[in-house]
Amino acid sequence: EAQLVESGGGLVQPGRSLRLSCVGSGFTFDDFGMHWVRQVPGKGLEWVAGIKWNSNITGYAESVKGRFTISRDNAKNSLYLQMNSLRLEDTALYYCAKLDGSGFSGYFDSWGQGALVTVSS
Amino acid sequence: DIQMTQSPSSLSASVGDRVTIVCQASQEINTCLNWYQQRPGIAPKPLIYDVFNLKTGVPSRFSGSGSGTEFILTINSLQPEDVGTYYCQQCERFPLTFGGGTRVEIK
Repeated sequence: EAQLVESGGGLVQPGRSLRLSCVGSGFTFDDFGMHWVRQVPGKGLEWVAGIKWNSNITGYAESVKGRFTISRDNAKNSLYLQMNSLRLEDTALYYCAKLDGSGFSGYFDSWGQGALVTVSS
Repeated sequence: DIQMTQSPSSLSASVGDRVTIVCQASQEINTCLNWYQQRPGIAPKPLIYDVFNLKTGVPSRFSGSGSGTEFILTINSLQPEDVGTYYCQQCERFPLTFGGGTRVEIK
């Protein structure tokens, strides 16, 4: 069974940076597209960014474009989200989510437990 | 962007009731429509993909239907463990978008 474990969340001041990591296990990591989805506590789900299995396609929500960068290291079974110029509205629980295939879009068939990012002065 | 609208936003039903949740897309999304369940304090759990396909292990009381712009999640015989919030998600076009969620409670 696929498992995803996020890390790197925390409290950060507006304008600063933070890097989230997600380690996958129980599946062949480089066979699948990977994404980040966030959720403000008590609110709904928002897609943030995605990356194809071989990193040749990435995509971002307009709200984070130009500030966030998604990347992956298949040798380390790891997914990353570099978050720069953080804003108060980026405060959320960030989930790492695995696609059901190697492409760039589809169905999230596994989710991590989430990493909480709090942006506050 | 494709807007996903769920109704109702919340519902309360008795154990054994049949529950229906509707998800409407602002434009045609073919069959790229998925459903997730989120229990309180836990990450979303996949339920149904491509409109009507149950993920392995999901109880058969869950079913999905629909096409085009209107999709339905049905829970036949609601159980206490079904309490939570249900989200639809379209994967036809980027950005991927989710519905606002439907909170299901037991009466």
